[in-house]
Amino acid sequence: DIQMTQSPSSLSASVGDRVTISCRASQGISNYLAWYQQRPGKVPMLLISGASALQSGVPSRFRGSGSGTDFTLTISTLQPEDVATYYCQKYDSAPWTFGPGTKVEL
Amino acid sequence: QVHLQQWGAGLLKPSETLSLTCAVSGGSFSGYYWSWIRQTPGKGLEWIGEIHHSGSTKYNASLKSRLRISVDTSNNQFSLNLRSVTAADTAVYFCARGRTISGAVAPFDIWGQGTTVAVSS
Repeated sequence: DIQMTQSPSSLSASVGDRVTISCRASQGISNYLAWYQQRPGKVPMLLISGASALQSGVPSRFRGSGSGTDFTLTISTLQPEDVATYYCQKYDSAPWTFGPGTKVEL
Repeated sequence: QVHLQQWGAGLLKPSETLSLTCAVSGGSFSGYYWSWIRQTPGKGLEWIGEIHHSGSTKYNASLKSRLRISVDTSNNQFSLNLRSVTAADTAVYFCARGRTISGAVAPFDIWGQGTTVAVSS
């Protein structure tokens, strides 16, 4: 099975900072990569599909990029409401596997 | 707007069977595969398995021997049964909408509210 890794596991940044999170697949998955945001105590929410397509209602400060095995989620200017754990997930084929998450704190 | 509402027992003893149900409302039930996902502090988010309204299933190999996912098409519901639970099955369990039956793969775009299940003697 394809494994997903993320780095860093956690980060601390200030409001207005640019934040970058990396996700790597152990084998190529084309662009079948999704990003989720999970705020504390809440349900995961789909942010990005197809590696770079923002879901409706997601602020434009979020940007996804990459293909194959290496992917990146960028928050251009961090806002207080962006405090959350971010997960990547591959969906090219089952099993649908998630990365271990990156916790973003202020 | 599609909504997933889930319920089930939240406290189990070791060796018992975990049973959860998820009801789908506000949209197509037959057009998608419906999944169960769990979240633990140690293993993060783990996909458990999925089902289509025809009853076709796909399971995570690590849980397959204890797992049964079933569907109730008359009520647009699907259920999770996990036998012989241990403390390692303690987690928050989510239902979620996944890929379409047309063959197009898709991420999980709609989630249930989550159910906390604790296994303890």
